[in-house]
Amino acid sequence: SAVISQKPSRDICQRGTSLTIQCQVDSQVTMMFWYRQQPGQSLTLIATANQGSEATYESGFVIDKFPISRPNLTFSTLTVSNMSPEDSSIYLCSVEFRYEAFFGQGTRLTVV
Amino acid sequence: QKEVEQNSGPLSVPEGAIASLNCTYSDRGSQSFFWYRQYSGKSPELIMSIYSNGDKEDGRFTAQLNKASQYVSLLIRDSQPSDSATYLCAVKGGAGSYQLTFGKGTKLSVIP
Repeated sequence: SAVISQKPSRDICQRGTSLTIQCQVDSQVTMMFWYRQQPGQSLTLIATANQGSEATYESGFVIDKFPISRPNLTFSTLTVSNMSPEDSSIYLCSVEFRYEAFFGQGTRLTVV
Repeated sequence: QKEVEQNSGPLSVPEGAIASLNCTYSDRGSQSFFWYRQYSGKSPELIMSIYSNGDKEDGRFTAQLNKASQYVSLLIRDSQPSDSATYLCAVKGGAGSYQLTFGKGTKLSVIP
């Protein structure tokens, strides 16, 4: 399996500020995914990030709010911009490795 | 819209019993099926993948797939308290598809 390091593991942020979440993989992967998981809910895909191209966002998620970078085949960042309490959630990085998806440890974000 | 349905539970079984977790999906073209275990406060962990009709066994876990009925299940034999977690069913579409659709998860409690 792929080993994924995601940081920070948690943060408490003031509304109106931005937080950048980093995801590092120990293998080169074509696709990286960013999910959100709200308390007691399942995973919702935010966007898919391929190296060398613009991220593809799912319905309800926009680039201005969740800008993503994918500078190489082992790294990606997700920024949560202009945060509000409604953005409080767990954010998860995922990669597809040999047709299976693996997840980072997650970032628990609380916006106050 | 692709849907994956799971009984949210909680499902309670006594220690040593067989836990049976079920999942149905709406996209008949789906080709890949996964079970993830998620402990409270942790990220999802892949425990089984299945691609062909029939059974696939890995230790105490058996995944069962019936594409005609659009049904996939996970059996956990000799359930242990450490198996207490939420189990997420995830489905990927046909050739060229890379997105996973997750069910809402079934919470399993194994009672000592």
